[in-house]
Amino acid sequence: ETGVTQTPRHLVMGMTNKKSLKCEQHLGHNAMYWYKQSAKKPLELMFVYSLEERVENNSVPSRFSPECPNSSHLFLHLHTLQPEDSALYLCASSQDRRPMYNEQFFGPGTRLTVL
Amino acid sequence: AQSVTQPDIHITVSEGASLELRCNYSYGATPYLFWYVQSPGQGLQLLLKYFSGDTLVQGIKGFEAEFKRSQSSFNLRKPSVHWSDAAEYFCVLTDSWGKLQFGAGTQVVVTP
Repeated sequence: ETGVTQTPRHLVMGMTNKKSLKCEQHLGHNAMYWYKQSAKKPLELMFVYSLEERVENNSVPSRFSPECPNSSHLFLHLHTLQPEDSALYLCASSQDRRPMYNEQFFGPGTRLTVL
Repeated sequence: AQSVTQPDIHITVSEGASLELRCNYSYGATPYLFWYVQSPGQGLQLLLKYFSGDTLVQGIKGFEAEFKRSQSSFNLRKPSVHWSDAAEYFCVLTDSWGKLQFGAGTQVVVTP
């Protein structure tokens, strides 16, 4: 138990569906992250939020839309996804973004399958 | 440009034997380095970290890593592997902006 929870753990959706992934951290951290983990590829950073402001967007397609309503919650809204978007989506948090405080705590992930 | 290389994609080790996972990095300044482990169906867990100071770093679960600046390496070791150590291991570099860069990972299989 890392203090970071993600729901749902598994999600199957069609290409025309709209769904949302939720992440919650109970650690009092100020930075939160979304990562994509695909088979045989390194972990890809998607979005970074620091103090509820988006500070990084790594050229992620607009069909992925993040939202950070407060420092404890992070959402990833999904719409009109493609089959190649099937992956494990991991959420993480850290105290802040400075390297000395950037030990990230990961949630268990949401396994997404797009049909 | 910064990079992290894990040369071994897959390692098989017998239970009770020693384990060493290699990691090489490229970074222009003092690196901040981590090792994370991901067990099947689990998220990533931090094993240990290096920021400065002692080059031999102790972590959880009996793991240690040695930072060697001259070789640009940060290899992970465990003297005696347990079956529960079967997992994927990631070497990670963070830059001065706090952006993590993950290596491709090394899958460890433990045989009886």
